[in-house]
Amino acid sequence: QITLKESGPTLVKPTQTLTLTCSFSGFSLSANGVGVGWIRQTPGKALEWLALIYWDDDKRFSPSLKSRLSITKDTSKNQVVLTMTNMDPGDTATYYCARRRGITVRGITITAFDYWGQGMLVTVSS
Amino acid sequence: DIQMTQSPSSLSASVGDRVAITCRASQTIINYLNWYQQRPGKAPKLLIYAASTLESGVPSRFTGSGSETDFTLTINGVQPEDVATYYCQQSYGAPWTFGQGTKLEIK
Repeated sequence: QITLKESGPTLVKPTQTLTLTCSFSGFSLSANGVGVGWIRQTPGKALEWLALIYWDDDKRFSPSLKSRLSITKDTSKNQVVLTMTNMDPGDTATYYCARRRGITVRGITITAFDYWGQGMLVTVSS
Repeated sequence: DIQMTQSPSSLSASVGDRVAITCRASQTIINYLNWYQQRPGKAPKLLIYAASTLESGVPSRFTGSGSETDFTLTINGVQPEDVATYYCQQSYGAPWTFGQGTKLEIK
């Protein structure tokens, strides 16, 4: 059974740094093709992909947030950590981590997020 | 970034109806398109990948079609448990982007 769960502060002040941890079970982040991504959902309900770390430690970031994001993995602990600096009230959202599955289509490997955590609401307010 | 536009933004259907949700990409994405279902208060769930392949365990009343820039999610015989918001997501490449969502309600 594959599960993921987000943890971290539910309230941060503007300009502070947010650190979120995704703890997962049921799969290995060492397995070829696997990744863990972060997606957030604003109160207006839009889904926004933030970052992804692959099994081989390759990383991808949203261009609009790249300067504020970092992502690391601890394979032995089955955890992925997302850090976002200089938080703003506009970053108030529910943050999800999700497993990335690589799917081969016509010889190309595409990304789908096949298992998601329950999400956690992070509020940015002074 | 590839922009994904869904329509309608909301729809209301009766149990047993056939409904269709469309998703348009701002450039060709071949068939690299996924659909997700998000029930109220829950995380999104993968329904369909590569435009038309049903994820394991998803009822066969859900079908996906389309290619290049235009895609459709069809529900044949809407059930009460299908009340949710549906999102498309392009997997052509990073940054992976989502549509704004289509909320399905039951009359």
